Amino acid sequence: DADVTQTPRNRITKTGKRIMLECSQTKGHDRMYWYRQDPGLGLRLIYYSFDVKDINKGEISDGYSVSRQAQAKFSLSLESAIPNQTALYFCATSDRPGFNEQYFGPGTRLTVT
Amino acid sequence: AQTVTQSQPEMSVQEAETVTLSCTYDTSESDYYLFWYKQPPSRQMILVIRQEAYKQQNATENRFSVNFQKAAKSFSLKISDSQLGDAAMYFCAYRTDDKIIFGKGTRLHILP
Repeated sequence: DADVTQTPRNRITKTGKRIMLECSQTKGHDRMYWYRQDPGLGLRLIYYSFDVKDINKGEISDGYSVSRQAQAKFSLSLESAIPNQTALYFCATSDRPGFNEQYFGPGTRLTVT
Repeated sequence: AQTVTQSQPEMSVQEAETVTLSCTYDTSESDYYLFWYKQPPSRQMILVIRQEAYKQQNATENRFSVNFQKAAKSFSLKISDSQLGDAAMYFCAYRTDDKIIFGKGTRLHILP
């Protein structure tokens, strides 16, 4: 089984709808991240969490919210989806900082029509 | 603020040849970490190689090696004996204590 899972893998939704993307990990890491990938823009950080009670905004948090339900679960919500939120979304985890890499989920392709 | 720049949006290389992908970064920190990630068409992000800034020796992983120039803030990736499976998007990344900053990526094409 994959260490970092994301659901759904693909989603099409309409403008104005609320949508939640879920991330679960079995690596036992405290740190979890949500990124957005757009063509030509690389990965940009939306939110990150160092533990259940520690949540921080990233570079592009407007229009998004998150919930860290447990050490292993970190959800990203779009309260009212808009077309320019169409993108590939990645969840990632990491152990303590430094040399340790981030482990990525398989990504969620979100399309807002 | 830290930034990561990959100046080559796309590159092509003949199979079995060597190619170098460029990455520069801007930081005032002295202690940090650098990574190259690969994203094949499956879209999974895969770690290729990593480098600690305090180490002068360049990291090597099989056919992948880096040229780390700390003073120039440069971190290029060299792929030797390119293979068709190396075709992917490559991202350079810089890590501080709390987060990683990614470049915009270089798409690498392998010509048979």
